[in-house]
Amino acid sequence: QVTLKESGPGILQPSQTLSLTCTFSGFSLSTYGMGVGWIRQPSGKGLEWLANIWWDDDKYYNPSLKNRLTISKDTSNNQAFLKITNVDTADTATYYCARPNWFAYWGQGTLVTVSS
Amino acid sequence: DVLMTQTPVSLPVSLGGQVSISCRSSQSLVHSDGNTYLHWYLQKPGQSPQLLIYRVSNRFSGVPDRFSGSGSGTDFTLKISRVEPEDLGVYYCLQSTHFPYTFGAGTKLELK
Repeated sequence: QVTLKESGPGILQPSQTLSLTCTFSGFSLSTYGMGVGWIRQPSGKGLEWLANIWWDDDKYYNPSLKNRLTISKDTSNNQAFLKITNVDTADTATYYCARPNWFAYWGQGTLVTVSS
Repeated sequence: DVLMTQTPVSLPVSLGGQVSISCRSSQSLVHSDGNTYLHWYLQKPGQSPQLLIYRVSNRFSGVPDRFSGSGSGTDFTLKISRVEPEDLGVYYCLQSTHFPYTFGAGTKLELK
């Protein structure tokens, strides 16, 4: 059974760095073909793909976030991480992690609010 | 980036009825490996999106056969027959052929 769960700070101030953790089970990021992706959704709006990391440590980012993103993984502890630097109010959203290629499995999401 | 144009934005339906949702891409979604990575999701209120259809026409595990996907190249359709109350929500298409992955803006399926 594949499960994913996101965790984050809940609230942070503009210009700070957002750190998110995805803890998963039912698969391993040391297995060929496996990966974890991050997607976000502002309240009442659509979905935006942010980044993927793969079993071989290959990484892909959405260029719309202009080098603010860093994705990483801890294979031993079944975790993936996403950092977003220099956040502002536009980064307020629910952040999901999910398993690519077609995101068959999603976490419940974690709400992040950027506010001064 | 590949633009995914999803129509309609809102889709009123009667229970038991049939509906279609269109998703058109700004470029072909045929990957160099020969596959087409176009997928469909349903997001119910307060929930995470759930995969319905992957790679154009493959129903994910547990998805009723009332849901079907079709299309090729740049033009794709999700059909829902015999609509049930649990089908209501927002439907999204996603292309994962090209980076960055891009979603359609969503179609809200609601009761007439």
